[in-house]
Amino acid sequence: DTEVTQTPKHLVMGMTNKKSLKCEQHMGHRAMYWYKQKAKKPPELMFVYSYEKLSINESVPSRFSPECPNSSLLNLHLHALQPEDSALYLCASSLQDTSYGYTFGSGTRLTVV
Amino acid sequence: QQQVKQSPQSLIVQKGGIPIINCAYENTAFDYFPWYQQFPGKGPALLIAIRPDVSEKKEGRFTISFNKSAKQFSLHIMDSQPGDSATYFCAASGGGGADGLTFGKGTHLIIQP
Repeated sequence: DTEVTQTPKHLVMGMTNKKSLKCEQHMGHRAMYWYKQKAKKPPELMFVYSYEKLSINESVPSRFSPECPNSSLLNLHLHALQPEDSALYLCASSLQDTSYGYTFGSGTRLTVV
Repeated sequence: QQQVKQSPQSLIVQKGGIPIINCAYENTAFDYFPWYQQFPGKGPALLIAIRPDVSEKKEGRFTISFNKSAKQFSLHIMDSQPGDSATYFCAASGGGGADGLTFGKGTHLIIQP
């Protein structure tokens, strides 16, 4: 299995809703990442988990809350989002001690209304 | 994050031609340089990657050329096809552990039939 699986593929939420994005990989990767991508822009790093511990938080607002329940799963909890948070949210994983094998999922297209 | 500068922003090539996309970096601690291909609505897919200890790497129709002294690397696509039309991102990372990728701004490539 060489895939990173993200669900849901599309999500529409109101500004008062709480929702979660899910990411799963079974490649034995011990580093997992959340990126945000706006249209016609490169992905921007949000969070890095290394061995299930948060190692990098790129000054992301607290309305985004990551969680890594185990080595295969990564969640992103969303609360009180703004319309400008609408974007493609990408999960990625890689081997812990190298960026080789850095693999992205297909993303969740999030629209905040 | 240190910059990775990518050019051109957009590129139109006739089928069978060889599009060339260039990237330059600043951080000499970077030691992993991947290229990603992204189709609309999809996550980035790893095409090919190189370490700075080699000057060239080929995988199928895709070739990376790397110039460590100039801190530049480029992607060549041989015998380009309309199906290669996509956005291409170069990236770089320190590679020495779980680390985010620093992306170039992307090149929108169109291969005309």
